[in-house]
Amino acid sequence: DTEVTQTPKHLVMGMTNKKSLKCEQHMGHRAMYWYKQKAKKPPELMFVYSYEKLSINESVPSRFSPECPNSSLLNLHLHALQPEDSALYLCASSHNDAGGWETQYFGPGTRLLVL
Amino acid sequence: DQQVKQNSPSLSVQEGRISILNCDYTNSMFDYFLWYKKYPAEGPTFLISISSIKDKNEDGRFTVFLNKSAKHLSLHIVPSQPGDSAVYFCAASDVSSGSARQLTFGSGTQLTVLP
Repeated sequence: DTEVTQTPKHLVMGMTNKKSLKCEQHMGHRAMYWYKQKAKKPPELMFVYSYEKLSINESVPSRFSPECPNSSLLNLHLHALQPEDSALYLCASSHNDAGGWETQYFGPGTRLLVL
Repeated sequence: DQQVKQNSPSLSVQEGRISILNCDYTNSMFDYFLWYKKYPAEGPTFLISISSIKDKNEDGRFTVFLNKSAKHLSLHIVPSQPGDSAVYFCAASDVSSGSARQLTFGSGTQLTVLP
C-alpha cells in the first residue's frame, strides 16, 4: 500500500480566513513533505519533516504554518493568504532510511483557491 | 539554474508505438532518479526509478535508462496506450540532501497517445 491521503480535496477561502490542510499516511514513513504546484509547473518544495521534526523550510512565508502531530499526520495551517497562493498543495512521504534511495509517494492534493 | 531539464514540453505518439521521454541533469551528486506521471488536478504517481549503480530498470511496459557519463536518462513506454496520456516529470535526488531526500524536478513533458 502506497497511499497518502489528503483532505479536503478542494478549498475556497477568503484572505482573512484560517483553514488547515491535512495529510495522512500509514506506510510507516518517517519523512513527510509539503509541496505547492502551479499549473504546468513542477512541484515546488515547501517543508520537510523528518522524524516529526521540521528539517527544511524553503523560505516559505509565515502565513503557511506546518505541523506534524505524529509520524502519520501532517497539517498545513493557512492564515491571511493572498490570491497568488492559489495552487495545488501536495503532501508526500518517504521511508527516511539513512543513506537509502528514497521514493516519495504523493497524495492526490488539495486544490486551493484564495479569493 | 535548472539542475534537471526536460527539453521537450510535449510529445505525441500513436497508440502501440514506443514513447521515449528524455531528461538531462547537471548535478553529478545525483544518485537516484525517478519518473512520475501526473494527470491534471491530481498528485504525481510514482512510475519507476533507477539508482546510479544501474544503467537500466524495467517494470512492465516502462523501462528507464541511465547514462551517467552523458548525465542523461530516458523513459521508454512500450507499447503506448491512450491512458498513458499525462504529464511526465523526471526527478532526481542526491545523498548530500540528507536522509529525508529533497527531489529536484524537471519541468515536465506532456505525452499524448493518439488512438
